[in-house]
Amino acid sequence: AQKITQTQPGMFVQEKEAVTLDCTYDTSDPSYGLFWYKQPSSGEMIFLIYQGSYDQQNATEGRYSLNFQKARKSANLVISASQLGDSAMYFCAMRDRNSGGSNYKLTFGKGTLLTVNP
Amino acid sequence: DVKVTQSSRYLVKRTGEKVFLECVQDMDHENMFWYRQDPGLGLRLIYFSYDVKMKEKGDIPEGYSVSREKKERFSLILESASTNQTSMYLCASSLGLAGYNEQFFGPGTRLTVL
Repeated sequence: AQKITQTQPGMFVQEKEAVTLDCTYDTSDPSYGLFWYKQPSSGEMIFLIYQGSYDQQNATEGRYSLNFQKARKSANLVISASQLGDSAMYFCAMRDRNSGGSNYKLTFGKGTLLTVNP
Repeated sequence: DVKVTQSSRYLVKRTGEKVFLECVQDMDHENMFWYRQDPGLGLRLIYFSYDVKMKEKGDIPEGYSVSREKKERFSLILESASTNQTSMYLCASSLGLAGYNEQFFGPGTRLTVL
């Protein structure tokens, strides 16, 4: 079973509008972390935002916020006021300890390709 | 700023060749990782290292080996390259293993095996 699911292979949004990219996860570890990365066409992975499983508030970083719904096991990324430069692949990832008992492994989703239209 | 560099952006090799992919980080991070990225599959962990000369297998270690002789350098080795190893290879590093430590990625090496 997939541990990280991104159900939207592609999304389109108009410039200056907000967009939500979906991510659901599956883990039995009570202590885990959720990450979002951006990958432009140039290929480098850029860290955007982090949410810990025990964090009381939703994480925010500038125009990025994470809509963390623990009971639903979802960690959706919200990008406000989209810009043309936001066009990229976006990956949700989770670090938990279920994999061999080591707290090191990031499991990535398959990604969502966001296109911002002018 | 953390900088992770990889020796090549693009590489073309022939089946059966021994291939070395080099990764260097400049922030004294303990942990380094090698992933491959394929369309529709996301990133999959090949190997990681949590200290010099220490390594652990990831999800898809078959056909690969790694070397970490110095803290800043982590090498991925394809002992005998095959066409199914054509992929984008991404190196990453992180300061610690705690959940909040994000991984910093290099620019990637796009390897083609003919």
